[in-house]
Amino acid sequence: QTVVTQEPSLTVSPGGTVTLTCAFSTGAVTSDCYPNWLQQKPGQAPRALIYNTNNRQSWTPARFSGSLLGGKAALTLSAVQPEDEAEYYCLVLSSGAWVIGGGTKLTVL
Amino acid sequence: QVQLQESGPGLVRPSGTLSLTCAVSGGSISTHNWWSWVRQPPGKGLEWIGHIYHTGSSYYNPSLKSRVTILVDKSKDQFSLELRSVTAADTAVYYCARNWDRWGQGSLVIVSS
Repeated sequence: QTVVTQEPSLTVSPGGTVTLTCAFSTGAVTSDCYPNWLQQKPGQAPRALIYNTNNRQSWTPARFSGSLLGGKAALTLSAVQPEDEAEYYCLVLSSGAWVIGGGTKLTVL
Repeated sequence: QVQLQESGPGLVRPSGTLSLTCAVSGGSISTHNWWSWVRQPPGKGLEWIGHIYHTGSSYYNPSLKSRVTILVDKSKDQFSLELRSVTAADTAVYYCARNWDRWGQGSLVIVSS
């Protein structure tokens, strides 16, 4: 079964920069996998941040950027704010089916 | 602005069938989008259940495929989820979503006798 792997947890200081990654068990993540990134805060529904590798939703702050990095999908947060503390999920499309990563818990400390 | 709202029983008996509906408002379900179901067990991550296109074509998580059916009702602008032969492991918050940019608030379903 296809598995998508993310860092379980990361910590970043306010104002700092952090990169979250998303790896595919079957090989490299490419733009044909249409990588998406979601943010989820406790008690809330997920919220879309990035679609199709590097496109921000209309409400996504410019400090969030998506890319492909070394065969993985990546989400980079620059000038991190305290409100960016959340769980982040990547989603990739494989043979018509979506696969969701296990999530990265980002702590801003 | 499109809004989604899940509805259905909050408690299902083991071996029974979980049925949820997602009502779409502020827009038509008959547009070039896909409509998804995702679930999240308490304290755990998200799991994609499946999705359906406006054409009726559907795709399911291989691990759930034998127990899941997703249907779209264009006349009511809603789509539905049916999960059969449930166990306690199916206890979760169930979300419906359009593409990934619009989400319902989630519906907690507990499987218990």
